[in-house]
Amino acid sequence: SQQGEEDPQALSIQEGENATMNCSYKTSINNLQWYRQNSGRGLVHLILIRSNEREKHSGRLRVTLDTSKKSSSLLITASQAADTASYFCATDPGGTSYGKLTFGQGTILTVHP
Amino acid sequence: SAVISQKPSRDICQRGTSLTIQCQVDSQVTMMFWYRQQPGQSLTLIATANQGSEATYESGFVIDKFPISRPNLTFSTLTVSNMSPEDSSIYLCSVEIWEGNYNEQFFGPGTRLTVL
Repeated sequence: SQQGEEDPQALSIQEGENATMNCSYKTSINNLQWYRQNSGRGLVHLILIRSNEREKHSGRLRVTLDTSKKSSSLLITASQAADTASYFCATDPGGTSYGKLTFGQGTILTVHP
Repeated sequence: SAVISQKPSRDICQRGTSLTIQCQVDSQVTMMFWYRQQPGQSLTLIATANQGSEATYESGFVIDKFPISRPNLTFSTLTVSNMSPEDSSIYLCSVEIWEGNYNEQFFGPGTRLTVL
């Protein structure tokens, strides 16, 4: 089964509001990566957070990682209609399985203009 | 990052036939991967495409069904053999790029396959 569980499964907000998505995983990781997918197209890499990092920022994105709780969150501030997409977290276990990502089920974000 | 292209972008195939998907990267990369995304689902790793040796398959995926080639460091193919409607999915290749001490993984645009 998928290691990552994401919640909520779907999120609907108004433009300008913040959106928070959560990801939980089960085993130890080397890093965790967040991706965006628009309408079943290819994945866009958003941000990578390493296992020894707790928080990372990129533009309007803020990612946190709590390895003790095996969870991560993605915050999108001041959302825009263009942020409407599916968001996935993916964990990289490292070691001999380096690069073999396990994906969460994803959160469908809808931002209403 | 890397520029990754896939061919075809989509196809509609008859059951029992095979389709070969190509993945091309604009730079040499060590690690290439193939993923499947079934309708409404998340991504699942099919295999690691190894250059110069056989691909490494994940549980539930076998070489006879999904043969993979990796002739050089910029190119790979995935064949979906003897297709059935259950193979209808988006197939994506990805590459690993090292950024400092950690790898980031970038994905191609995907191939949307429909099997009738």
